[in-house]
Amino acid sequence: GQQLNQSPQSMFIQEGEDVSMNCTSSSIFNTWLWYKQEPGEGPVLLIALYKAGELTSNGRLTAQFGITRKDSFLNISASIPSDVGIYFCAGHRVLEYIFGTGTRLKVLA
Amino acid sequence: GAVVSQHPSWVICKSGTSVKIECRSLDFQATTMFWYRQFPKQSLMLMATSNEGSKATYEQGVEKDKFLINHASLTLSTLTVTSAHPEDSSFYICSAREPGQLEAFFGQGTRLTVV
Repeated sequence: GQQLNQSPQSMFIQEGEDVSMNCTSSSIFNTWLWYKQEPGEGPVLLIALYKAGELTSNGRLTAQFGITRKDSFLNISASIPSDVGIYFCAGHRVLEYIFGTGTRLKVLA
Repeated sequence: GAVVSQHPSWVICKSGTSVKIECRSLDFQATTMFWYRQFPKQSLMLMATSNEGSKATYEQGVEKDKFLINHASLTLSTLTVTSAHPEDSSFYICSAREPGQLEAFFGQGTRLTVV
């Protein structure tokens, strides 16, 4: 099935550093969602974006819906060890959710 | 956010047997639920969309006779892996969406191991 391009594929960062990841698509989406998945668990919704250009924060997380509606990015500020996990973007249109390939984040204390 | 509960969290079964996985929306009614399969270190791949009261819509390449989906009520969808084989071993995850809402919420996943 279709997947969105997400980068970087993995990141190793020091605790306290900021993190940025993005998701790109060749087609337009009406909604962008960002999820975090920890080992052996289902994804947990972090942020939902509903319109082009929208910038939304959730604590240390900030996400933006690209103006072209074909991309989105997620920033995590001042990373902490519990930020470890896999972050997935998802684009939504009509009844369809398309997921990104995931960004695996590891935080070194 | 809305709560989706999946059961069991893990199951080990013998080759040739069938396994049923349940997905429940606990605090909302879900007319649509989604079933995904996830291989290690990979993203979620949509298997089928489950619609309450009607037949599920399967993605290309997913055998509908192998992966039976039943969405008999507004809060429950089940995925039955029939005649399981070791290659069916995987992490299966469901998600559900409230009517009129755009966000999908996930269950905790089911780790299926076929021996």
